[in-house]
Amino acid sequence: ELKVEQNPLFLSMQEGKNYTIYCNYSTTSDRLYWYRQDPGKSLESLFVLLSNGAVKQEGRLMASLDTKARLSTLHITAAVHDLSATYFCAVLHNTGNQFYFGTGTSLTVIP
Amino acid sequence: DARVTQTPRHKVTEMGQEVTMRCQPILGHNTVFWYRQTMMQGLELLAYFRNRAPLDDSGMPKDRFSAEMPDATLATLKIQPSEPRDSAVYFCASSLGAVREQFFGPGTRLTVL
Repeated sequence: ELKVEQNPLFLSMQEGKNYTIYCNYSTTSDRLYWYRQDPGKSLESLFVLLSNGAVKQEGRLMASLDTKARLSTLHITAAVHDLSATYFCAVLHNTGNQFYFGTGTSLTVIP
Repeated sequence: DARVTQTPRHKVTEMGQEVTMRCQPILGHNTVFWYRQTMMQGLELLAYFRNRAPLDDSGMPKDRFSAEMPDATLATLKIQPSEPRDSAVYFCASSLGAVREQFFGPGTRLTVL
């Protein structure tokens, strides 16, 4: 079974600071996805990373994928309160038939 | 504005009753996923379909859960009989193939008493 681990699980950071969320997975995959979930809401797709070395950026968020290390990062630059949410990474196994979500990272940005 | 729709949004039922949840994927999307989210277990994939055929339902308790796609515009998830441990938020998502990003519906919040 493919395991997907995120850390940290909880993150409290001040506005204006930078931080990185890590997503490690246990088996071969070159398909990784990041989602955001606001409290009581559904999930919203942020990034789709489909190859080793892929980097995507949107606003203050940047995601990257290292398939050799089985690691993806979500970097937050100059955090603002609106970024407070839970962030999930998800991995599609290379068989194409198994899809796994990480545990989620709950981010709180403090003024 | 294309979006995934789910009904009902909330369901409260008693243990032993049948529960049916419905999902309308985004028109043209050929892959549909069912997820369950709880505080304890997080987000779990229950089943998914491509071109209406089930590809993976290994995450679903087979004795009480069933998932179907009667046509390309409707996916259903049934629980019979329901149990209190089934209380969760059930999300449906659709995509253009498994590799593409998934678009999630608003979820059905199920409470089994």
